[in-house]
Amino acid sequence: AQTVTQSQPEMSVQEAETVTLSCTYDTSESDYYLFWYKQPPSRQMILVIRQEAYKQQNATENRFSVNFQKAAKSFSLKISDSQLGDAAMYFCAYRALYSGAGSYQLTFGKGTKLSVIP
Amino acid sequence: SAVISQKPSRDICQRGTSLTIQCQVDSQVTMMFWYRQQPGQSLTLIATANQGSEATYESGFVIDKFPISRPNLTFSTLTVSNMSPEDSSIYLCSVFPDIQNYGYTFGSGTRLTVV
Repeated sequence: AQTVTQSQPEMSVQEAETVTLSCTYDTSESDYYLFWYKQPPSRQMILVIRQEAYKQQNATENRFSVNFQKAAKSFSLKISDSQLGDAAMYFCAYRALYSGAGSYQLTFGKGTKLSVIP
Repeated sequence: SAVISQKPSRDICQRGTSLTIQCQVDSQVTMMFWYRQQPGQSLTLIATANQGSEATYESGFVIDKFPISRPNLTFSTLTVSNMSPEDSSIYLCSVFPDIQNYGYTFGSGTRLTVV
């Protein structure tokens, strides 16, 4: 079974600075998707960024970028120029690529609570 | 991407009662998922709901406790039955819009408190 591990329960960053959130995962699959979701106090799960395992290039979305190390099964999220609105829980998630029983479900890590200090 | 309306947003219920949570999607979607998020925890999948078939439940979740309906491609309900304080959680629905689009959309969640 796939597992997703986020080893940092809490992180903090100064406004305008850069922070990196860690995520590792375990899978026997060679093709899959990885996601970072943001959950602010409103509870809404918001997709931040996604990465296809078959793509070597790291995904980037504005101030958010990932460092995807497939061999190491590592998928960290870098937030540049941190803003107060970035304060939230961040969840790393995994999904297998191919169809099959349960293959479309997401497996989540336990989350990292990010605080942004003004 | 799809837009989901999830209701109610929160509720406080007496133990032993049941609560039905609704998710309405603005477009037809193949798969809907129901998650539970216990206080301070991550999301745990309860079941996958496909239109026209029985929901598929994950280990630790049973149909008698969490009956699910999926009458069409835009709507689903999750009922939390015979509630106890341990059922106090956030419940979220999620949809998988398209086989070719691997993005997921989530509802805004239902915060349930059982007293």
